[in-house]
Amino acid sequence: EIVLTQSPGTLSLSPGERATLSCRASQSVSGNYLAWFRQKPGQAPRLLIYGASNRDTGIPDRFSGSGSGTIFTLTISRLEPEDFAMYYCQQYAISPGTFGQGTKLEIK
Amino acid sequence: QVQLQESGPGLVKPSETLSLTCAVSGYSISSGSYWGWIRQPPGKGLEWIGSIHHSGSTSYNPSLKSRVSISIDTSKNQFSLKLSSVTAADTAVYYCARGLSTAMATGLWGPGTLVTVSS
Repeated sequence: EIVLTQSPGTLSLSPGERATLSCRASQSVSGNYLAWFRQKPGQAPRLLIYGASNRDTGIPDRFSGSGSGTIFTLTISRLEPEDFAMYYCQQYAISPGTFGQGTKLEIK
Repeated sequence: QVQLQESGPGLVKPSETLSLTCAVSGYSISSGSYWGWIRQPPGKGLEWIGSIHHSGSTSYNPSLKSRVSISIDTSKNQFSLKLSSVTAADTAVYYCARGLSTAMATGLWGPGTLVTVSS
């Protein structure tokens, strides 16, 4: 199975700052079938990015995804209060679908 | 819009079978898509359990394959999860989800339901 490793484990930033989250795959993710999710406490994950770089419907343009192969990045250009949460990447190219261990984005 | 809602017992005894249902509204389940299950133990990360295509074909996580069954009921517009021989390690929030592109895709999620395995 494809193992996804997210870094950093915790990211401490202030509102208005730029956040860069990384997701590294143990083997190439074919078709760039890589998604990013945001999970707020007590809620289900919400899809932000699919296909490595496509924003889901209703997701603001401060969120952007990039990368291919084994290295993927989620960038949040200007942090809003609701962005402080857990973030997960997921590959859905090869079964079993696998998730990264998550990055916690916390207020500095 | 499309919405998913999980339901089922919140408490299951060890060695018994966990059974959950996901009701889909705003979309006919027989029209297409993959319908899957994911779980999250308290305070931990996400694990993909498996999915079923609207045609009935299934895909399961090998780590759970011997204990998992996912089925679909187009007449009720819902799909179900059964996990047998549960232990405390199966205690988790269980989410159902809809995927569009592959059997492992999980684009739209239900709110989740906590299932505790305990005697």
